[in-house]
Amino acid sequence: GNSVTQMEGPVTLSEEAFLTINCTYTATGYPSLFWYVQYPGEGLQLLLKATKADDKGSNKGFEATYRKETTSFHLEKGSVQVSDSAVYFCALGSTGGGNKLTFGTGTQLKVEL
Amino acid sequence: DAMVIQNPRYQVTQFGKPVTLSCSQTLNHNVMYWYQQKSSQAPKLLFHYYDKDFNNEADTPDNFQSRRPNTSFCFLDIRSPGLGDAAMYLCATSSGQGENSPLHFGNGTRLTVT
Repeated sequence: GNSVTQMEGPVTLSEEAFLTINCTYTATGYPSLFWYVQYPGEGLQLLLKATKADDKGSNKGFEATYRKETTSFHLEKGSVQVSDSAVYFCALGSTGGGNKLTFGTGTQLKVEL
Repeated sequence: DAMVIQNPRYQVTQFGKPVTLSCSQTLNHNVMYWYQQKSSQAPKLLFHYYDKDFNNEADTPDNFQSRRPNTSFCFLDIRSPGLGDAAMYLCATSSGQGENSPLHFGNGTRLTVT
């Protein structure tokens, strides 16, 4: 079945540092890929998505590229801010019809001054 | 603002005592989902509704039931909560079944079982 593997957290960075959160997946077919973010006390929000190989999703300075050859969708940001502190979830869309997501376990990011 | 609202934010119930969690949406979306999220684990889909059509995940225990009386509301019923059912329960909606329809989540209900 489909599955998502994310790097374990917490990840602690200083403000303005470069961020990478690794995500790899296993799936049949070519699913859409997503990053969701969960700020403290809030629900999950869609951060970005990519629907086919070599697509790059981007939003709020975050980017991720759909790499079919390495089955990866790593999240990157060039310069993090304290306000980026949150839990980040990589997710895989369904390939067998329907709109169901398979999530990774989440990576907590802490950004310090 | 259009949104997904879950009530209550925190729910405490006793072992074996039935409990109902609520979700409402003002997005007029066709699809509503319930996810269970245990500490440090991935959110796990329990079931979803496409309009009135109920879709249960194969590994969702019978102890979990759901009702969707109309487009706006969806309920999660736990008939006999066990200690292992303590978790964050997330409701989400989407406009359709297409893969690219993003999910919109509520803030969740944290369930404690004593």
